[in-house]
Amino acid sequence: GQNIDQPTEMTATEGAIVQINCTYQTSGFNGLFWYQQHAGEAPTFLSYNVLDGLEEKGRFSSFLSRSKGYSYLLLKELQMKDSASYLCAPWGSARQLTFGSGTQLTVLP
Amino acid sequence: NAGVMQNPRHLVRRRGQEARLRCSPMKGHSHVYWYRQLPEEGLKFMVYLQKENIIDESGMPKERFSAEFPKEGPSILRIQQVVRGDSAAYFCASQNDGGTDTQYFGPGTRLTVL
Repeated sequence: GQNIDQPTEMTATEGAIVQINCTYQTSGFNGLFWYQQHAGEAPTFLSYNVLDGLEEKGRFSSFLSRSKGYSYLLLKELQMKDSASYLCAPWGSARQLTFGSGTQLTVLP
Repeated sequence: NAGVMQNPRHLVRRRGQEARLRCSPMKGHSHVYWYRQLPEEGLKFMVYLQKENIIDESGMPKERFSAEFPKEGPSILRIQQVVRGDSAAYFCASQNDGGTDTQYFGPGTRLTVL
């Protein structure tokens, strides 16, 4: 089976940096995805890590440590529109993604 | 390149009726996944299909739910004799032919059972 643990809620201020942590246990491992989901909308792809290390994409970066079963999503220069749920989704031996409950990020002015 | 399309976006059914949800994958994608998101909960996998084949339906309830992805046309998730507990957002995601790339999500169908 798969277990995913990420904080339920986080709050940060506009312009700040926030790190959302995710620990996971999977049967097999083919990579880890991060998605963003605004309320009432579909998840949108943010990043995919398959090797250890940091992947940077604009204001968003994602880190992976396979040996520790750990990933984080780093958001810089926070904007109000970044208020959303952030979903950590490891990709195990099965094709489908398993999602945690997500971290609800609130960005305050 | 059009994204993943789902219709209808909103669907209202009375208890006991049937619901049909449609998903057209991105061009060039032949892998479709259906996920369900209950209110205030995370996304849960339901079924994985390729053209004309169900690959994994381990997340699908054993009764009343079925899915298909015909050679021509969209993938369809069918819920028979709907109950209030079926009210949820149903998302499909598509993936490229190699099955190793990102899953891209459609806008979802929000089913409300009265």
